[in-house]
Amino acid sequence: ETGVTQSPTHLIKTRGQQVTLRCSSQSGHNTVSWYQQALGQGPQFIFQYYREEENGRGNFPPRFSGLQFPNYSSELNVNALELDDSALYLCASSKDRAHEQYFGPGTRLTVT
Amino acid sequence: ELKVEQNPLFLSMQEGKNYTIYCNYSTTSDRLYWYRQDPGKSLESLFVLLSNGAVKQEGRLMASLDTKARLSTLHITAAVHDLSATYFCAVDTRMNRDDKIIFGKGTRLHILP
Repeated sequence: ETGVTQSPTHLIKTRGQQVTLRCSSQSGHNTVSWYQQALGQGPQFIFQYYREEENGRGNFPPRFSGLQFPNYSSELNVNALELDDSALYLCASSKDRAHEQYFGPGTRLTVT
Repeated sequence: ELKVEQNPLFLSMQEGKNYTIYCNYSTTSDRLYWYRQDPGKSLESLFVLLSNGAVKQEGRLMASLDTKARLSTLHITAAVHDLSATYFCAVDTRMNRDDKIIFGKGTRLHILP
């Protein structure tokens, strides 16, 4: 059984640019959640996708957007990057909504 | 708005001692999760607590949930150095057909040999 994978591992972008992060969910999982974790902080919920539809959203501006594909993999897009967007971005998949989540290794984004 | 508070935020303890981490949350939920995170790593799921009175144990860690008090505890028995990590609780709440998962700020646990 393949676990949750994320790409890329690390990324450096300039303020104002756009970025796309990718997540492959664990086999058999139809739900993907995205989190932003700043250094020394707890993960902040960005949004959750269930069967290709957004199923919940945290307090993030619209420049954070996402997609879930028919194979349940997912993308997180961030437009107009700001310095404060520098963080570890984690995705987690689960068999269904409100089930145990399994986290990927994360993507470390640095905005300069 | 759902708030999740953990305490303590930092804990330094000696090997062999017992201690408890507390997780309070502000709104109704019947799903609570505990995670472990090592420095520079992702999160590892420890426990899923789904009902009032749920108690789960794995090795030296035991978690419990009291939904009436909106409180979960993570108890460490006879701590060993390998348990040094940051521990997070997270609460899953469903409002207006939307799910939100809110994490606490984490408890950084340092166990001294």
